[in-house]
Amino acid sequence: QKEVEQNSGPLSVPEGAIASLNCTYSDRVSQSFFWYRQYSGKSPELIMSIYSNGDKEDGRFTAQLNKASQYVSLLIRDSQPSDSATYLCAVNKGRNFNKFYFGSGTKLNVKP
Amino acid sequence: DTEVTQTPKHLVMGMTNKKSLKCEQHMGHRAMYWYKQKAKKPPELMFVYSYEKLSINESVPSRFSPECPNSSLLNLHLHALQPEDSALYLCASSQGLPADTQYFGPGTRLTVL
Repeated sequence: QKEVEQNSGPLSVPEGAIASLNCTYSDRVSQSFFWYRQYSGKSPELIMSIYSNGDKEDGRFTAQLNKASQYVSLLIRDSQPSDSATYLCAVNKGRNFNKFYFGSGTKLNVKP
Repeated sequence: DTEVTQTPKHLVMGMTNKKSLKCEQHMGHRAMYWYKQKAKKPPELMFVYSYEKLSINESVPSRFSPECPNSSLLNLHLHALQPEDSALYLCASSQGLPADTQYFGPGTRLTVL
């Protein structure tokens, strides 16, 4: 079983719609959760971090964490073509706190 | 400022060459990381330095040799690489606190001929 799982996509949404990206993790002791955006050929860029159950909003982005279901999601409101990228979910278990476990990434296409 | 810099941006080397990748951060972070990323794959952890000491080596072949001269600098020395080592090499840093955020540099695109 993989530590972190994501649907590879591609996920296609029209411009202005809400994009919903999902991630599940296997280890209940996981403590911190991150979403990174990666454009083709570029390095990962931090979008959001979340540590507690519930929602965390930052502009058009909302991260949602449900530790009971071992599930973390990222909502992108008013999606723009510039949001087209691969979104990586990363989990830190906290025990060896310097190690991230990455999902395989979900490719998002926002169509004008 | 959350900037991590890496040099060079691109590197082409032969299998007999010796080269080095460099990474620098001035955020006062105490943990630094090397990742390798192949196309359409997530970053794969190679090494972690915590407070200038090597804390994680993910069973990386000895042709890759990391070095942390001080808390702001991280090097990756390359020797006798194989064509399959061609990839994007990413450096990252974090404060070093539990469950902390990692910030990535722009990467070095390495091609081994």
